[in-house]
Amino acid sequence: EAGVAQSPRYKIIEKRQSVAFWCNPISGHATLYWYQQILGQGPKLLIQFQNNGVVDDSQLPKDRFSAERLKGVDSTLKIQPAKLEDSAVYLCASSLTALGEQFFGPGTRLTVL
Amino acid sequence: SQQGEEDPQALSIQEGENATMNCSYKTSINNLQWYRQNSGRGLVHLILIRSNEREKHSGRLRVTLDTSKKSSSLLITASRAADTASYFCATNDMRFGAGTRLTVKP
Repeated sequence: EAGVAQSPRYKIIEKRQSVAFWCNPISGHATLYWYQQILGQGPKLLIQFQNNGVVDDSQLPKDRFSAERLKGVDSTLKIQPAKLEDSAVYLCASSLTALGEQFFGPGTRLTVL
Repeated sequence: SQQGEEDPQALSIQEGENATMNCSYKTSINNLQWYRQNSGRGLVHLILIRSNEREKHSGRLRVTLDTSKKSSSLLITASRAADTASYFCATNDMRFGAGTRLTVKP
């Protein structure tokens, strides 16, 4: 069974630029999550999708972050414009059900200069 | 808001010893999950314990849950150097704590 795929693995941008991350969850997983993990901290949930609907985006900075999950499969997370404090690893995870075990992708390490 | 909070922040033990980590949370839960993250790698699910369960085992892992105290513990028995990692608990609304950094010395 293929795992959660993310791209790119690394991205370096300058502040005020835009960036997008892509996630392909495990086939058949209805729930998809995006997390931000700053060095030395635990993952912070940004947004949770159930199929293509948003379940929880209470911690998503909506003035600059956006996410979509068209057709209930792949998802993209966008930051526009980026700030220095957005430097972090962005993790995507998926689960079969909303309360089940999550499978994490390798993450995208973002550096904002 | 973050629900899961792990304690201690860091733990260093010798290979073969047992390691115990604790997690406290603030509101009622349906389940609680433990994850491991090796340095520079993604998170791996270890175990899920439901709110109506008090104890669960998986290999060298033992998890307990006390809903009256809103706390859980993860015990790793006969630790190995490969267990060196950060361990996180997460409540069912997927709020993670800062984790416990475990170092197992050979």
